[in-house]
Amino acid sequence: KAGVTQTPRYLIKTRGQQVTLSCSPISGHRSVSWYQQTPGQGLQFLFEYFSETQRNKGNFPGRFSGRQFSNSRSEMNVSTLELGDSALYLCASSSRDSHNEQFFGPGTRLTVL
Amino acid sequence: AQSVTQLGSHVSVSEGALVLLRCNYSSSVPPYLFWYVQYPNQGLQLLLKYTTGATLVKGINGFEAEFKKSETSFHLTKPSAHMSDAAEYFCAVSDGYTGANSKLTFGKGITLSVRP
Repeated sequence: KAGVTQTPRYLIKTRGQQVTLSCSPISGHRSVSWYQQTPGQGLQFLFEYFSETQRNKGNFPGRFSGRQFSNSRSEMNVSTLELGDSALYLCASSSRDSHNEQFFGPGTRLTVL
Repeated sequence: AQSVTQLGSHVSVSEGALVLLRCNYSSSVPPYLFWYVQYPNQGLQLLLKYTTGATLVKGINGFEAEFKKSETSFHLTKPSAHMSDAAEYFCAVSDGYTGANSKLTFGKGITLSVRP
């Protein structure tokens, strides 16, 4: 099976812009989670989608949003970018029988100038 | 609420020496526990996981970890370090059931260096 794929791998944006990141889960996986990784805060949970519904949400401002499509692919959007949004954004997928084991993609490195 | 504590941010060992990376967790429900490894500019790769059953779990690349409920610990070990083990290691916890909450809570991570 192909792994989790994320596009693009690298992005450079300026403050105030918005950005959309994409994630394709492993075939058959219906749960997709997003995490932000920064040197200061480490790995922080953003949100999880299951069958096109947001099932769980972390403690991030409303500028961070996401959605999931019927084929389980997911996108996350960050509006009005701030310098502090510079991070590695990781997507992970899981299946019902995986005991919450999550399979991670390579991440999208976002730099906000 | 769940939390994970990984004491220290950096561990350095000699090649061939024992690797011990500590992880303590806090969870109000029976947990599932995970160790992930991250190499530079890559995502996270699962080393091993504890769900139920045997408390000593073996993973990839010769790593193993023991779940000790009384100590709320899940320390990662490897008898003999290899240069290729140099990476960042993350301990994570989730609720101990597969259902509506599969969120992982991660520790801060430990960077492992291996000296020749």
